[in-house]
Amino acid sequence: EAGVAQSPRYKIIEKRQSVAFWCNPISGHATLYWYQQILGQGPKLLIQFQNNGVVDDSQLPKDRFSAERLKGVDSTLKIQPAKLEDSAVYLCASSSLKGATNTEAFFGQGTRLTVV
Amino acid sequence: GDSVTQMEGPVTLSEEACLTINCTYTATGYPSLFWYVQYPGEGLQLLLKATKADDKGSNKGFEATYRKETTSFHLEKGSVQVSDSAVYFCALRSGGYQKVTFGTGTKLQVIP
Repeated sequence: EAGVAQSPRYKIIEKRQSVAFWCNPISGHATLYWYQQILGQGPKLLIQFQNNGVVDDSQLPKDRFSAERLKGVDSTLKIQPAKLEDSAVYLCASSSLKGATNTEAFFGQGTRLTVV
Repeated sequence: GDSVTQMEGPVTLSEEACLTINCTYTATGYPSLFWYVQYPGEGLQLLLKATKADDKGSNKGFEATYRKETTSFHLEKGSVQVSDSAVYFCALRSGGYQKVTFGTGTKLQVIP
C-alpha cells in the first residue's frame, strides 16, 4: 500500500514570499490532516478535512495560511506571505473512517520549510 | 482543551537498560491514546495504541497501558537497543471529529 506522499521535501524562501505544499493521502482515506512541527516541539494541528469539508481549522492562521482539498483527495497548503516564524516541518497525515471512528493516522515524510 | 504532557528529554541510556517515558493527558470523554516514533530523517510512525481503559498496547518490545484513574499512558521497554534512538511522541484522539493532539516529544539516545 502506498503511503502518504508530500512534495516538495525541502523549500527555502524569503520572508514575504508565498509557498505551497502538496499532499496525496493514502487511497480511500476520508480524513486528511495538516500539522506544523517547529523544531523541538510536537506537531500542532493546523487543519483537518473529512472528505472535502473542513472539520477543524481553529489553529490555522487564516490571515496568511489557506488549505483546500479538491474532490476529497489531494490537498494543498499555502502560506502567503511567509514569516520567519513559519520555518518548520509541515506534515500531512491521513486516516480512514470505520463507521464514525477514525483509524490511526499515517504520516508523510513532511516538507521542511526555511524562511530567511 | 485537550492536552498531552510528556517528560522532557533528552533521555540517554546504555544499551540493554530499562526505559520509561512518562505521559499524562487531559481530555474530555474517553480518548484513544497513541505513541508515535520519529527516527532520524524519517516521518512519524505509529508505535502502539490503546483505545479504552486498561488496554495495553505493545509493539517491538515497547508497551504502554491506558490508565484512566491516573490519566497516564507511560511508554516502557525492558531492554533498549541503539536502534531505538529516536524521538517519541505521546498523542491522544478525542472529540466528535477525533482530533489528534500530540505531546512535545521525548528524544531517546541509546549508547552502546
